[in-house]
Amino acid sequence: DAKTTQPNSMESNEEEPVHLPCNHSTISGTDYIHWYRQLPSQGPEYVIHGLTSNVNNRMASLAIAEDRKSSTLILHRATLRDAAVYYCILRDVETSYDKVIFGPGTSLSVIP
Amino acid sequence: EAQVTQNPRYLITVTGKKLTVTCSQNMNHEYMSWYRQDPGLGLRQIYYSMNVEVTDKGDVPEGYKVSRKEKRNFPLILESPSPNQTSLYFCASSSRLAGAENTGELFFGEGSRLTVL
Repeated sequence: DAKTTQPNSMESNEEEPVHLPCNHSTISGTDYIHWYRQLPSQGPEYVIHGLTSNVNNRMASLAIAEDRKSSTLILHRATLRDAAVYYCILRDVETSYDKVIFGPGTSLSVIP
Repeated sequence: EAQVTQNPRYLITVTGKKLTVTCSQNMNHEYMSWYRQDPGLGLRQIYYSMNVEVTDKGDVPEGYKVSRKEKRNFPLILESPSPNQTSLYFCASSSRLAGAENTGELFFGEGSRLTVL
């Protein structure tokens, strides 16, 4: 099962951009890259996903390396509400089983 | 409103007393899964189900059972709970990935905090 690695924690100043990295060196051609975040005392929520091209939505942007072995979640202007644990996972489109593996994630602190 | 509902949200029980945590989704999702979350360990998958009557073990299945008799429900059963099963449990569901049009977004319940004394 392909796995991801992320830094344990990161810090950002409020209103500044945040770049959260994720390594997935064993990614397969049919793996989608998904990002989730978990606010305190809540279940994880979907943020964004992509396959090969960079993606933007109202919450964030996802930059995917050309070799797909790493990706970066970009929060353009961090707010205090963005303080959360961010998870990067892989989901295989074609698999007949779907063992979705979450690592410990990156705990993001936002400094006012 | 699209949602995943878990019950109970909080439970304190004693060792050996069988319990069931229910999970229900209203989005007609094929895929459902159970995770446990412990400090410093992130989310670890217990069991998952690709569709009705199809279940498989995740990374930490020992001490748990599941069933998927209906598409909307995926209960987690602890036949004989032990203190090491004290944890925060999350149920999740998603449609099966079928290409770029489908996000395969996982929808999570609000969590069930279980304490086994």
